[in-house]
Order: sequence, then C-alpha cells, then structure tokens
Amino acid sequence: EIVLTQSPGTLSLSPGERATLSCRASQSVSSSYLAWYQQKPGQAPRLLIYGASSRATGIPDRFSGSGSGTDFTLTISRLEPEDFAVYYCQQYGSSSWTFGQGTKVEIK
Amino acid sequence: QVQLQESGPGLVKPSQTLSLTCTVSGGSISSGSYYWSWIRQPAGKGLEWIGRIYTSGSTNYNPSLKSRVTISVDTSKNQFSLKLSSVTAADTAVYYCPIMITFGGVIVSDYWGQGTLVTVSS
Repeated sequence: EIVLTQSPGTLSLSPGERATLSCRASQSVSSSYLAWYQQKPGQAPRLLIYGASSRATGIPDRFSGSGSGTDFTLTISRLEPEDFAVYYCQQYGSSSWTFGQGTKVEIK
Repeated sequence: QVQLQESGPGLVKPSQTLSLTCTVSGGSISSGSYYWSWIRQPAGKGLEWIGRIYTSGSTNYNPSLKSRVTISVDTSKNQFSLKLSSVTAADTAVYYCPIMITFGGVIVSDYWGQGTLVTVSS
C-alpha cells in the first residue's frame, strides 16, 4: 500500500498569503493518478487538482499543483477567505487507493 | 446536475452488517467511465477509502477492510451499494459515495453526496 504523508499538519496563514502544501509518497506514483481535494467543515470533499497539475472544472487559477514521482505540491498563490479548509492528496495509481492525512489551512 | 444521496440505517449494532445505498439523480450512471466509490471519515479524522467499482465492473477494496466489504452497482436503478460486515465501533463514521468521472483512466471530475453518519453501538 502506498502511504501518503502530508506536511505540515497545520498551516497558519493570513488572507493574501501564499500556501504551500506537501504530499510525499512512500513509493513512486504516476502523476496522472495524483489528486488534491479540499474539504470545508460539514461538507464533502471536492476535487481541486487532478493529474497532479490540472485544475478541475470551476477551480480558480490561484490553485496549482506540481510534482512527480514521490513529491507533490499544492500551492495556493493568494489565500482567499474561502480557502481556509483541509486539503487532502490522494493516489489511485495502485489497486488500493490512499489519502494523505490532510493539511489544515487556518487563519492566522 | 447529478446529485447523490446516501441512505441507510444511522445506527448499527456491533457484529451486524452495515448496508448503505447511494442513489443517483439528475443523470444516468450507465454511460461514461466512472469509479463508483465509498469513502468514510470518522469524526475529526481524515478520509479513508473503502473501495470502488469501475465502469468495467472491476472492484477494488481497501486491504484492511477487504474481508468485510462488498460494493455493488445496479445501473437499472441508478444506485450503488455498500455492505460492511462484522462492524465494530471503529466503523463509526460519515460515509460518502462519490462518483469519480474518468477520462483515459484519470479522475477529472467528481460528484459527492452530503454523507451519512453511521454509528455502531449497542
């Protein structure tokens, strides 16, 4: 099973700042099968980034993804109030899908 | 607009079988390429993938749950289902049934229900 480790656990930032979230895999993951999700309190997650770097429909361009192999990054260029949430990376390149444990982006 | 609705008992006794159904409205799930999935989230914790069926009919389950899980789909009813046997308190969680739309095997979009809380308790 591929283990995804996200860091940091919590990111305390102010609106307008840049957020950089990391997702490290225990073994190589095809970029095609690496996704990022956003979850707000009381809501279901929603797909932000697929294929490591492609924005899902309706996702603002302040969200960007990058990386390959075992290291992937989600960047939010300028935090808006609605971006404070928990973010999860997910891999589905193997028969067993896994999620990272999440990074909470909170208002400083 | 596709909408998903999870349904099933909110309370299940230990050792019994948890059964949930996901009903799709606003669109058909019999065409296109999809993963019909079940994902759960214990209160205050992260997401745990339970399993999925692909359009082809192939299924995969979380290895830690595999011996207890069955996921099936009934396209004629626009529904898919989860059965989890021999439940314990550790299975208490909000259960989600996302449909993940694929293109060339890559998930490019998704639909989620609002989730349903299942509590395992006597």
